[in-house]
Amino acid sequence: LAKTTQPISMDSYEGQEVNITCSHNNIATNDYITWYQQFPSQGPRFIIQGYKTKVTNEVASLFIPADRKSSTLSLPRVSLSDTAVYYCLVGDIPFGNTGKLIFGQGTTLQVKP
Amino acid sequence: NAGVTQTPKFRILKIGQSMTLQCAQDMNHNYMYWYRQDPGMGLKLIYYSVGAGITDKGEVPNGYNVSRSTTEDFPLRLELAAPSQTSVYFCASRGGEANEQFFGPGTRLTVL
Repeated sequence: LAKTTQPISMDSYEGQEVNITCSHNNIATNDYITWYQQFPSQGPRFIIQGYKTKVTNEVASLFIPADRKSSTLSLPRVSLSDTAVYYCLVGDIPFGNTGKLIFGQGTTLQVKP
Repeated sequence: NAGVTQTPKFRILKIGQSMTLQCAQDMNHNYMYWYRQDPGMGLKLIYYSVGAGITDKGEVPNGYNVSRSTTEDFPLRLELAAPSQTSVYFCASRGGEANEQFFGPGTRLTVL
């Protein structure tokens, strides 16, 4: 997996849009960017994955610039229930060639009322 | 589908005891993983498997052993438990459209 850098923590208020950036300068041509969300006392769960430009699903959007050296996870109008740790992973994950998946420290998002 | 199941949910061990954490998945995934998570910290990879009969070390394998005799099961064995192994243990399998990981509910282990 490519080395990634994320902020350790972020604070937000209910109803705001939250953007979490992940830096991955050494991303390889076949690498995808994958984000997981972990609520307290639960295992992480997959939220979104992308290769370039923009990907959107019912939970979040993922923005990837042309050089792909960073990516931004965007959570629209957060609520208290979005308080969680968010992990960014970069590798050829969709193809299964990367067996060894290591999580970084992640970004702890605290949503306040 | 039950997804990924782990047993037990909680366990207290005495120093020097041994135990096996069970993990099973019913999604026919080839890849399976064991992670540990200490309080307030991120996930650390202990062992992983890319298929039945194949296992490999992760970041923190010392004090643990695994086996993968079937696609469904991936037990984690702790020999001679130590207080440093007090943690929450998560098992995961990997597959699906994005080849993403699916995590179990975790086993909370305390070694006293």
